[in-house]
Amino acid sequence: DGGITQSPKYLFRKEGQNVTLSCEQNLNHDAMYWYRQDPGQGLRLIYYSQIVNDFQKGDIAEGYSVSREKKESFPLTVTSAQKNPTAFYLCASSDLRGEGTDTQYFGPGTRLTVL
Amino acid sequence: DAKTTQPNSMESNEEEPVHLPCNHSTISGTDYIHWYRQLPSQGPEYVIHGLTSNVNNRMASLAIAEDRKSSTLILHRATLRDAAVYYCILPRGNTGNQFYFGTGTSLTVIP
Repeated sequence: DGGITQSPKYLFRKEGQNVTLSCEQNLNHDAMYWYRQDPGQGLRLIYYSQIVNDFQKGDIAEGYSVSREKKESFPLTVTSAQKNPTAFYLCASSDLRGEGTDTQYFGPGTRLTVL
Repeated sequence: DAKTTQPNSMESNEEEPVHLPCNHSTISGTDYIHWYRQLPSQGPEYVIHGLTSNVNNRMASLAIAEDRKSSTLILHRATLRDAAVYYCILPRGNTGNQFYFGTGTSLTVIP
């Protein structure tokens, strides 16, 4: 089945530790995205990538880092510099036809809790 | 970037039609209008998108005002599985692939 997988589903970390969230897609999509969602709020864009070895900051990139070494993978690292990392993290991918018609497909999310 | 405005919440009775409004008064001529929905504790899923004409698919219909300053997502017969947060989105960025999710409309379906 084609789709996006995120692991783990739940993640706990101690304050001050870096943690990496996994995102893999087998849809052959060029673009991938990371969003953060806080309770009762909409999604906010952290980083996005339109091609391998290239990525851009979204609206709330501070305290996060990403890499895009392979087309199908886009891991997100939450660093100790992120002041309020507890949130629901969602990964998405899309084609890149442009013109505003691309559909984003989302993974099931990772719920990160900082203890 | 053009922004959207949606009511925070709406209710509907099961098996009745639901009309979810969205205002986007600063929309540009080339902005597509996308709708996604998010069920509790899940990632959002695509519902429908359109540019000028009304659009239909198996999930819903999208009615776009003639001046494109507003649109309405129509669920023809609400079911309990339609209870979700519905987001109206205008993609942004030079390739039109960056989404801004507001707080959306939380739809409650009453049995």
